Amino acid sequence: DGGITQSPKYLFRKEGQNVTLSCEQNLNHDAMYWYRQDPGQGLRLIYYSQIVNDFQKGDIAEGYSVSREKKESFPLTVTSAQKNPTAFYLCASSPYSPIQGYTEAFFGQGTRLTVV
Amino acid sequence: EDQVTQSPEALRLQEGESSSLNCSYTVSGLRGLFWYRQDPGKGPEFLFTLYSAGEEKEKERLKATLTKKESFLHITAPKPEDSATYLCAVHLGGTSYGKLTFGQGTILTVHP
Repeated sequence: DGGITQSPKYLFRKEGQNVTLSCEQNLNHDAMYWYRQDPGQGLRLIYYSQIVNDFQKGDIAEGYSVSREKKESFPLTVTSAQKNPTAFYLCASSPYSPIQGYTEAFFGQGTRLTVV
Repeated sequence: EDQVTQSPEALRLQEGESSSLNCSYTVSGLRGLFWYRQDPGKGPEFLFTLYSAGEEKEKERLKATLTKKESFLHITAPKPEDSATYLCAVHLGGTSYGKLTFGQGTILTVHP
């Protein structure tokens, strides 16, 4: 099945530890995104990438890092510098159209990170 | 600064009571507006894409429209299963080309 896979679904981390969230897509999409969602809130953009080996900071990049070594993979590392990392993290990807540019994004099912 | 604002924050309807959700945007170079539905604990589900003012898209009880400054999601005769959070997002152009920005969402509750 084509889609976006995020793992794990639930993740617990001790304060001061780095943790990496996985995001894999087999849709052959060019762009990939990471969002953070807090209870009752919308989606806030952490990082996005349009091509391999290139990515841009979103609106809340501090305390996070990413890599895009392969087109299908866009892992997110939550570092110990992130002051309030407990949240629901969503990964998405979108295809590129020469006429319309980047089109609709499709999402994974999310990873819920809890700092204990 | 690019902004996407949704209203109302929450909307309660009786089954069959039609209404509209609003998404207004102030962006430099709109390259597409998207509507999503999100159920609790899940990733957003894509509903519609709109690219130019005057464009309309329909799916079952939902209809999305776009003007130069805002988009509406009209819900006709809603059912309890339409209860969810509805999100709008915009793809930006210019120096933020490729950036996908979301509004805060509207929480819709439909009572039987």
